[in-house]
Amino acid sequence: AQSVTQPDIHITVSEGASLELRCNYSYGATPYLFWYVQSPGQGLQLLLKYFSGDTLVQGIKGFEAEFKRSQSSFNLRKPSVHWSDAAEYFCAVGENRGSTLGRLYFGRGTQLTVWP
Amino acid sequence: ETGVTQSPTHLIKTRGQQVTLRCSSQSGHNTVSWYQQALGQGPQFIFQYYREEENGRGNFPPRFSGLQFPNYSSELNVNALELDDSALYLCASSYLGLQETQYFGPGTRLLVL
Repeated sequence: AQSVTQPDIHITVSEGASLELRCNYSYGATPYLFWYVQSPGQGLQLLLKYFSGDTLVQGIKGFEAEFKRSQSSFNLRKPSVHWSDAAEYFCAVGENRGSTLGRLYFGRGTQLTVWP
Repeated sequence: ETGVTQSPTHLIKTRGQQVTLRCSSQSGHNTVSWYQQALGQGPQFIFQYYREEENGRGNFPPRFSGLQFPNYSSELNVNALELDDSALYLCASSYLGLQETQYFGPGTRLLVL
């Protein structure tokens, strides 16, 4: 069965520190992978996505993620966190229908707090 | 801003009532997906519509139903509301095809009393 695990429910970092949010997935076929961010009371904003090719993908706001097939992981990283990065982060695996995307399976999210 | 809009932003209903939520897709998109996000959880897939036909459904009962219109806007209808239906309902639009990406609206917060 398809699933996404985000092991860290809550992470606190100081502004300027580096960040890594973990994501592990279970999916039988080649996965389509996504990271979204959600600010309080808001919808989901796409940070980055992976379909194929280079396993290190760059996103918006200085975020990057690396796909590691052997570890079934797609961890999100940022070298220097800003106070405005405080939000909830969701990893998702997309249903691969061959040439189209089906449903997204989401993890439970990681809440990021940034100390000044 | 994704260009996906949802209405209303907030809604309060009582148990047993019916509710209709609306979603307007981003320009150029032909697919709409609906998700339910309970408090403290990740979004759960309800269903997807493509060219006015249901194109996949999650593990939700039949009292959750939807429509997609020729202009690709969409509605989510929930009958016989239950307390557990209280959640943020998210609509996502996409263009069906290679490297398809879902873009989300701001959501409708539903409270069932």
